[in-house]
Amino acid sequence: NAGVMQNPRHLVRRRGQEARLRCSPMKGHSHVYWYRQLPEEGLKFMVYLQKENIIDESGMPKERFSAEFPKEGPSILRIQQVVRGDSAAYFCASSPKSGGRSSPLHFGNGTRLTVT
Amino acid sequence: DQQVKQNSPSLSVQEGRISILNCDYTNSMFDYFLWYKKYPAEGPTFLISISSIKDKNEDGRFTVFLNKSAKHLSLHIVPSQPGDSAVYFCAAHAGDSNYQLIWGAGTKLIIKP
Repeated sequence: NAGVMQNPRHLVRRRGQEARLRCSPMKGHSHVYWYRQLPEEGLKFMVYLQKENIIDESGMPKERFSAEFPKEGPSILRIQQVVRGDSAAYFCASSPKSGGRSSPLHFGNGTRLTVT
Repeated sequence: DQQVKQNSPSLSVQEGRISILNCDYTNSMFDYFLWYKKYPAEGPTFLISISSIKDKNEDGRFTVFLNKSAKHLSLHIVPSQPGDSAVYFCAAHAGDSNYQLIWGAGTKLIIKP
């Protein structure tokens, strides 16, 4: 029973390149959330998606960052023209239904992005 | 402005003793609190939660205490075991959302044999 799968585990990009992070939710889960953890800090919410819909992107930077969760395939977090400040651990979580506190989040093991 | 603070970056406890991890918050609108545990190279896993209508919640070796007047919560682990060595995050939110969480920076717990 696979959990939330994220790949790659580690990603190195040079400044100006694009980074693509992938997340496959747990089986039966249709809600995906992305979080970013900067060094020495807690996680920060970025975006919440359902299949083919962005529900809440209030935590996403306005420029260079985008996310999608297509009908088929994993959710993708894309960072264009990466800068050193984008270096962080990016975690994806999923849940079987939205909103309520009785629906705990299940996290993947994260993608560690390093921008050189 | 950190709304959720875990002032101890690390804590070392002898195996078998009690571990107490602390968390302070500033936003009086927070009404639901969670603790997550994280091992290196893994994602956070949910541990225990507490609603503001309670002051204590217990689950096996883990107990969370909430002091609303002091805006303080703590996680007690007793007895501490080597497998408890991990980073513990305190998180809080207002409203019914399960994802709009404000996270503390974490406390690294080291259990000494």
